[in-house]
Amino acid sequence: QKEVEQNSGPLSVPEGAIASLNCTYSDRGSQSFFWYRQYSGKSPELIMSIYSNGDKEDGRFTAQLNKASQYVSLLIRDSQPSDSATYLCAVTSGGYQKVTFGIGTKLQVIP
Amino acid sequence: EAQVTQNPRYLITVTGKKLTVTCSQNMNHEYMSWYRQDPGLGLRQIYYSMNVEVTDKGDVPEGYKVSRKEKRNFPLILESPSPNQTSLYFCASTWDGNNEQFFGPGTRLTVL
Repeated sequence: QKEVEQNSGPLSVPEGAIASLNCTYSDRGSQSFFWYRQYSGKSPELIMSIYSNGDKEDGRFTAQLNKASQYVSLLIRDSQPSDSATYLCAVTSGGYQKVTFGIGTKLQVIP
Repeated sequence: EAQVTQNPRYLITVTGKKLTVTCSQNMNHEYMSWYRQDPGLGLRQIYYSMNVEVTDKGDVPEGYKVSRKEKRNFPLILESPSPNQTSLYFCASTWDGNNEQFFGPGTRLTVL
């Protein structure tokens, strides 16, 4: 059973701070890694994708991947109340066979 | 507008009454999936399809059926729904497994 683990939170950060979200995965053959944001009652939407070791930055968001340690993280700089949502980590392996999601981390940005 | 649509958005039904949730995408995506989302369990893949007439089981396929007769449509069928299938269901599509998935708006199903 391929597993993706996240701390369910809630993770509370003050407005303007850096939020750090972490995810570990069990399948060393995993190839693609995604962070989705999901507001309550809404569908997930892509925040970042990352495929190779290192950092990938997009605006206030930075995804970090370390395949040797089997973890992927998401940093949100200058956190805003509108960033309050659940962040889902997703991992795919061997092409589109199965996509495994973590349970998600609930982020609360306090004004 | 590129989108994934699902119908119905909300459904309350009774145990054993067959139902179908439709899913349609207008992006010419090869791959489509069905997920259910439950508190504390996250999103779990039910079935996926890599092309017309090609489907395979995800992590929680029991009690569900799917078909892919056309590229754009991927209906989810519950032949004999049970209360443990009460959940929030999402359909998603993508070009291939290494790209982002586009999710439909969700279908909230309650089985009494």
